[in-house]
Amino acid sequence: GAGVSQSPSNKVTEKGKDVELRCDPISGHTALYWYRQSLGQGLEFLIYFQGNSAPDKSGLPSDRFSAERTGGSVSTLTIQRTQQEDSAVYLCASSLKLGPSSGANVLTFGAGSRLTVL
Amino acid sequence: QQQVKQSPQSLIVQKGGISIINCAYENTAFDYFPWYQQFPGKGPALLIAIRPDVSEKKEGRFTISFNKSAKQFSLHIMDSQPGDSATYFCAVLYYNTDKLIFGTGTRLQVFP
Repeated sequence: GAGVSQSPSNKVTEKGKDVELRCDPISGHTALYWYRQSLGQGLEFLIYFQGNSAPDKSGLPSDRFSAERTGGSVSTLTIQRTQQEDSAVYLCASSLKLGPSSGANVLTFGAGSRLTVL
Repeated sequence: QQQVKQSPQSLIVQKGGISIINCAYENTAFDYFPWYQQFPGKGPALLIAIRPDVSEKKEGRFTISFNKSAKQFSLHIMDSQPGDSATYFCAVLYYNTDKLIFGTGTRLQVFP
């Protein structure tokens, strides 16, 4: 597709359940990002991938959160044993890396997956 | 640790006025400073960006001013319009990486 696609767009789950959020980046984009946006809050960095590797996982809130990327394309963010504080919009973005220090990364965001934990 | 501090949290401007949003960063290891605009229900989209080797960049009604010594940069929206009403995020890119960190956001409301 032409843009970044995220699914599901909305997910309601019960506390303690596991959830998987999917991101389909723009074809050819080598970098992929996950951010979390709580109600009225900023964009909290979770993790980013360059290809299938994750150089920086420092933003993952706890070991209940994990992410993977396969084939340099689709990424899945998994939250195990969900808690109410996990409720937020999870945003995925992709970008085309233009060079080691080009500083010209333009992120294209998806519309997000809204997670509600009851 | 908050790498980027953004202010104000919210801003109300009359149509035709100037909107100014400020960001300050704490680390010198950044080499790209973009601003993103987000409308309700949508993901953020790049608005304008600047490299640290210039002090100002202008695109239409939008201008970034960059003060490297003060570690501050700001977004100026001239002749603000109701259609500019959105949330604005500044961001910083870690040098020689793809790690992009965002500020806390500013909700701008422009009234006719």
